[in-house]
Amino acid sequence: NAGVTQTPKFRVLKTGQSMTLLCAQDMNHEYMYWYRQDPGMGLRLIHYSVGEGTTAKGEVPDGYNVSRLKKQNFLLGLESAAPSQTSVYFCASSYSNSPLHFGNGTRLTVT
Amino acid sequence: ILNVEQSPQSLHVQEGDSTNFTCSFPSSNFYALHWYRWETAKSPEALFVMTLNGDEKKKGRISATLNTKEGYSYLYIKGSQPEDSATYLCARKAAGNKLTFGGGTRVLVKP
Repeated sequence: NAGVTQTPKFRVLKTGQSMTLLCAQDMNHEYMYWYRQDPGMGLRLIHYSVGEGTTAKGEVPDGYNVSRLKKQNFLLGLESAAPSQTSVYFCASSYSNSPLHFGNGTRLTVT
Repeated sequence: ILNVEQSPQSLHVQEGDSTNFTCSFPSSNFYALHWYRWETAKSPEALFVMTLNGDEKKKGRISATLNTKEGYSYLYIKGSQPEDSATYLCARKAAGNKLTFGGGTRVLVKP
């Protein structure tokens, strides 16, 4: 039982490049979340999903897109990376009233 | 309160002493309050999920209370140990399942 798996673990992008972060969970969770963690700012919600085929905006959605085509996967896309998107990205999943299970994070640097 | 706020941002505790800190959140559209423990270089791990006003939860030497009417929760650590050193995060789930985190309280227990 792998839990929540994020790929890649590290990535360096140049400004303007695009990439997709993959989050996969094997717990049959309905809800999935993408957060970014920056020094002194805790975890900020980017986008989230309450079920397959549905997504919603969080606190800081600009510059990101997401898709939940399969229940077990939640993809986070950066169409044109900017230095301000340098961060550590965490994916999490849960059932309705249960706590979040987090992935190990993806460290992204945009130069 | 418009956002989830935690205070203090950091605190130092002498080993063996007890401590507590606060999470404040908007009381409207409240669904649940989560507490997580986050050690450096790891992912956040769930401590409690609380939903009812007056709820009290306990896990070993750590306990939490919840007041949904006034919008606050306290986390208590009794007899702090060096292994309690971590950042403690609270998160508020609103109707619609949006889960928003506070900035965290960083606890350092000194031997």
